Amino acid sequence: DAGVIQSPRHEVTEMGQEVTLRCKPISGHNSLFWYRQTMMRGLELLIYFNNNVPIDDSGMPEDRFSAKMPNASFSTLKIQPSEPRDSAVYFCASSLLRRESPLHFGNGTRLTVT
Amino acid sequence: GQNIDQPTEMTATEGAIVQINCTYQTSGFNGLFWYQQHAGEAPTFLSYNVLDGLEEKGRFSSFLSRSKGYSYLLLKELQMKDSASYLCAVAGSGGGADGLTFGKGTHLIIQP
Repeated sequence: DAGVIQSPRHEVTEMGQEVTLRCKPISGHNSLFWYRQTMMRGLELLIYFNNNVPIDDSGMPEDRFSAKMPNASFSTLKIQPSEPRDSAVYFCASSLLRRESPLHFGNGTRLTVT
Repeated sequence: GQNIDQPTEMTATEGAIVQINCTYQTSGFNGLFWYQQHAGEAPTFLSYNVLDGLEEKGRFSSFLSRSKGYSYLLLKELQMKDSASYLCAVAGSGGGADGLTFGKGTHLIIQP
């Protein structure tokens, strides 16, 4: 299996621009998670989906952040407008809907907002 | 809510043994995971504990005490490639399907 695939790997943008991050989960996994990682705050859960349905978006920092999962093989995380404090590594992860199932992470998108 | 504590940094010598501790306070508990993350890479799964006791997997072992809210990861026969961050993560009442809450990670430095 190819694993979780994220694009782009790196994104540099100016403040105020829209940013869209993309994720393809592992085939057959029915849970998908978006995390953000910074030195100060570590890995933070932003939102997750079970069977393509958003379950909990309480980790989304502001209304500028939105996420969609139109089908089982694709999800997007959008930031509009972006701000310098959004600079971080954004990880997508997928897993099976079982208690003991580990998260499988993509390689992340390193976002820099100038 | 969840609160997870682990040391920020540890140093150990190649060939030796190191124990990385993790303590947690949670409103629900459905298992504890350990992940390894090399610099610039994604976290990768190491172990899962849901019952008290020790789980051994090659050079790595993980221990859990639910009554104490405590876990440790034990790494034996340390190799230079073990230099990485080690993340402790707790599954809440909904299990892993509700996402994991991660500690900030322990940066392990292996010296020759």
